[in-house]
Amino acid sequence: DVKVTQSSRYLVKRTGEKVFLECVQDMDHENMFWYRQDPGLGLRLIYFSYDVKMKEKGDIPEGYSVSREKKERFSLILESASTNQTSMYLCASIKYNEQFFGPGTRLTVL
Amino acid sequence: TQLLEQSPQFLSIQEGENLTVYCNSSSVFSSLQWYRQEPGEGPVLLVTVVTGGEVKKLKRLTFQFGDARKDSSLHITAAQPGDTGLYLCAGRRYNQGGKLIFGQGTELSVKP
Repeated sequence: DVKVTQSSRYLVKRTGEKVFLECVQDMDHENMFWYRQDPGLGLRLIYFSYDVKMKEKGDIPEGYSVSREKKERFSLILESASTNQTSMYLCASIKYNEQFFGPGTRLTVL
Repeated sequence: TQLLEQSPQFLSIQEGENLTVYCNSSSVFSSLQWYRQEPGEGPVLLVTVVTGGEVKKLKRLTFQFGDARKDSSLHITAAQPGDTGLYLCAGRRYNQGGKLIFGQGTELSVKP
């Protein structure tokens, strides 16, 4: 079974804090993605990566950065968290046209 | 502007009823997928449709890809409480690699 894990299920941070969201996949997939999910908006792509040290901006990259130092790990970084970044964050990896998602991290920024 | 318009956004029905969820776009997609998401979990792939006009069945679920590859529908026959969840359509455009564009989602509640 493909497994995508995310470091935290729930996270509460304060405005201005630096936040790291970690994602690990165990199937040697090359492509990995970070989305945020908000009611009525579906999933919106923040960043994606086709390989180690490679990254590309998605549709809403502002306020975020990413790091992919190892193939299995893709990190999402909020340099200075703001309240409008309160959301559900989903990580995914892809194989044969199917995206496999982690359980999500619900981030609240106070 | 949402590239993939999904409707309805909310649906509350009684067990045994039929329902249809629609996913529409003005863009052409190379393929279209439907995912189901339960509370506290990530979306899970139900089906991929690739050919215009294609129909796929998964038990009581029927998926159709429009002839022009711009729209899709999900029909559930005799809905059961276990069908409750968030249904998401996602399209892949040509020359976009593994990137998907998601609809807003349909929150389905099936009451016993």
